[in-house]
Amino acid sequence: GAVVSQHPSRVICKSGTSVKIECRSLDFQATTMFWYRQFPKQSLMLMATSNEGSKATYEQGVEKDKFLINHASLTLSTLTVTSAHPEDSSFYICSARPGLRDDNEQFFGPGTRLTVL
Amino acid sequence: SQQGEEDPQALSIQEGENATMNCSYKTSINNLQWYRQNSGRGLVHLILIRSNEREKHSGRLRVTLDTSKKSSSLLITASRAADTASYFCATDAGDYKLSFGAGTTVTVRA
Repeated sequence: GAVVSQHPSRVICKSGTSVKIECRSLDFQATTMFWYRQFPKQSLMLMATSNEGSKATYEQGVEKDKFLINHASLTLSTLTVTSAHPEDSSFYICSARPGLRDDNEQFFGPGTRLTVL
Repeated sequence: SQQGEEDPQALSIQEGENATMNCSYKTSINNLQWYRQNSGRGLVHLILIRSNEREKHSGRLRVTLDTSKKSSSLLITASRAADTASYFCATDAGDYKLSFGAGTTVTVRA
């Protein structure tokens, strides 16, 4: 159990276009999902916390108008990179926290590699 | 923000040997977690240790936590080629947000 999927796994787009990445918890309900970004050979940086039915909370330095997050249901959160530029090329990973559990185990998706040309 | 520092940055060992990596952090934590990441893939949760615990075991993994020194270690015993991966510690201050360390890249030679 506790599987998180991401779609697409890889996307290449032209500069200026918008890209939507989906994160789904397949066998549990996730009241909270998190979005991370990872540059090559670096660690994961938390971008934002997504709570079902409310606005996302963004970390300092992350532009909320550029990285739009929607958590429309207990099993789906989406990250839209608007007007993408080459510097947005990165590995985007989501995680989901089961709502009924008291501990903080999070389950991570397989990641989405975004390349902006 | 990233608060964990890990060392070493890279580790190369022979199959069967033990691998030890360390993580230090700056602020108070509720728990500390270790994750594994194979190249270009998502993260796999390995073990969670709470701030009131000092040591935890899971299979070939042993994690220690010293809150007075704000440090943790991960020991992988009897390493296998399949253990080749990057290992990250992540701290949770109690708000469920994870702050990741820089990671240790482990290569296990056959």
